[in-house]
Amino acid sequence: QQQVKQSPQSLIVQKGGISIINCAYENTAFDYFPWYQQFPGKGPALLIAIRPDVSEKKEGRFTISFNKSAKQFSLHIMDSQPGDSATYFCAATGGTSYGKLTFGQGTILTVHP
Amino acid sequence: EPEVTQTPSHQVTQMGQEVILRCVPISNHLYFYWYRQILGQKVEFLVSFYNNEISEKSEIFDDQFSVERPDGSNFTLKIRSTKLEDSAMYFCASSYQGYNEQFFGPGTRLTVL
Repeated sequence: QQQVKQSPQSLIVQKGGISIINCAYENTAFDYFPWYQQFPGKGPALLIAIRPDVSEKKEGRFTISFNKSAKQFSLHIMDSQPGDSATYFCAATGGTSYGKLTFGQGTILTVHP
Repeated sequence: EPEVTQTPSHQVTQMGQEVILRCVPISNHLYFYWYRQILGQKVEFLVSFYNNEISEKSEIFDDQFSVERPDGSNFTLKIRSTKLEDSAMYFCASSYQGYNEQFFGPGTRLTVL
């Protein structure tokens, strides 16, 4: 019930393309869904987050789409750049587990020039 | 920009030894967390800490682990008797509110020989 499932495991995109990473959760008490970007040897950096009262949130080239009924959310990176090459983690928290982030398995994104 | 700092960046220890990993959270944050990431795997929650006590802990956080906020700035994770399987990156994170944005430090790589 606490799992967050993320796909794909790896993704290769050409520069200028759209990268799409998907996550699904089971716990209906989750009500905060952040995405983190991690470069090798670094800590996860918060990229963008959404709460279930909206279906979409956009910040620059990054958009989260949220489907509450399907218990799914996704990250879209528009106009992907080589500098976006990193590992992306979705996460979720909520209910009685204040602050306990449950992470997905991660997606290694490679953007070719 | 305020950031979470961690020391040391890399700790090598012998099995059975005690280690203390140190973190300085962002100064006005009230909630503190430890996570770990075994190489190539997802980030896993260990413990959350608020108002000088543990709020929640995972099944990984057994009696060998303890956390402390010894003063107004530091937050430490102690592993009493390290095992080979404790080898991982350990990340400290902090947030101002319970499950608002969590900011991660750069991590401490723990290697147990």
